[in-house]
Amino acid sequence: EAEVAQSPRYKITEKSQAVAFWCDPISGHATLYWYRQILGQGPELLVQFQDESVVDDSQLPKDRFSAERLKGVDSTLKIQPAELGDSAMYLCASSKDRAEAFFGQGTRLTVV
Amino acid sequence: GIQVEQSPPDLILQEGANSTLRCNFSDSVNNLQWFHQNPWGQLINLFYIPSGTKQNGRLSATTVATERYSLLYISSSQTTDSGVYFCAVDYYTGGFKTIFGAGTRLFVKA
Repeated sequence: EAEVAQSPRYKITEKSQAVAFWCDPISGHATLYWYRQILGQGPELLVQFQDESVVDDSQLPKDRFSAERLKGVDSTLKIQPAELGDSAMYLCASSKDRAEAFFGQGTRLTVV
Repeated sequence: GIQVEQSPPDLILQEGANSTLRCNFSDSVNNLQWFHQNPWGQLINLFYIPSGTKQNGRLSATTVATERYSLLYISSSQTTDSGVYFCAVDYYTGGFKTIFGAGTRLFVKA
């Protein structure tokens, strides 16, 4: 069964360091999403790609966060420098033509 | 922007009981999904249901788009149903956006 792959599963980093997360969507899914979920809250969309183009990054803190999907397949989300408040679960999802979205297992980030 | 409200926020059930979770949204949506977040944090797809009724085993869902709500029914609850249930809606506002509700935290007691 096809699934969204994310790595790493867990990441501990010191504040002011750089950190990166990787996502490989389900094959054939043109739409890719990155979400951030703070403990006790619902996921919040950070950035949405359609193929290699960003279609929504209105909630992405662009002073420290960046995201790319260079060939329209896998994607990387980067934080530099990390802050204590960035500790959260980072979730990647993909969908075909903005229909049903499927999520990966997520990366749990702890900034110390 | 659109508001998505889920109720109740917390729910405790005895194993075998039935329950109804509700998702209200404040404007027209293009689609709606229900997810179950397991203890490891992964979001598991339950239903993709922009309108109508669907059933999958002990779970069923109904979305009445004209009245801007969706219901998730859990029958004969089991301890493995525990977790957080989210609804997420997709809507258009100069571009497509997705927003999640705050979730319903369900605990099923043995």
